[in-house]
Amino acid sequence: DAKTTQPPSMDCAEGRAANLPCNHSTISGNEYVYWYRQIHSQGPQYIIHGLKNNETNEMASLIITEDRKSSTLILPHATLRDTAVYYCIVRGMGNDMRFGAGTRLTVKP
Amino acid sequence: NAGVTQTPKFRVLKTGQSMTLLCAQDMNHEYMYWYRQDPGMGLRLIHYSVGEGTTAKGEVPDGYNVSRLKKQNFLLGLESAAPSQTSVYFCASSYHGSSGANVLTFGAGSRLTVL
Repeated sequence: DAKTTQPPSMDCAEGRAANLPCNHSTISGNEYVYWYRQIHSQGPQYIIHGLKNNETNEMASLIITEDRKSSTLILPHATLRDTAVYYCIVRGMGNDMRFGAGTRLTVKP
Repeated sequence: NAGVTQTPKFRVLKTGQSMTLLCAQDMNHEYMYWYRQDPGMGLRLIHYSVGEGTTAKGEVPDGYNVSRLKKQNFLLGLESAAPSQTSVYFCASSYHGSSGANVLTFGAGSRLTVL
């Protein structure tokens, strides 16, 4: 499975876009990129996933580079409630989803 | 729909005691998972199951056993609890969509303290 690299922490101003990067240079062709977040000590929450194309839903946008070696999760208008740990996971058809350390995003007023 | 429900939410054990955490899902998902999360750390996969009657080891399976006798339930057992097993335990379930993607739904967590 491809490993992922994320910065340990980031800050963002409230109302601005939050851009969270993830490197996955060893990703293979059939592996998806998933993003989850964990607010305080709650259970992680699914945000978005993608394979090759950019994706958008009501929560966020996922931009995957053409070579698929990195991606960016975009929260278009961050609020204080978006303060959380964000996990980027790369996984293929296998069933064991493994989480790394993630990026701790702090949205500041 | 309740989603994924974990029981109990909190438990304090003494070293050497045994206990079972119950995870129940009402979404007819095939796959179920148990993770642990230590303070300030990410989630680590303990065991998972790809269907009724099947289980597999994850990253940190030692000291735990699991069973999936019914599709909707996934039990995590500690036969002889140790202080190192003090953690928050999360259960999740998922399905594989037609595209092959695997989206997890998590429970609220069970906080276990072993004295």
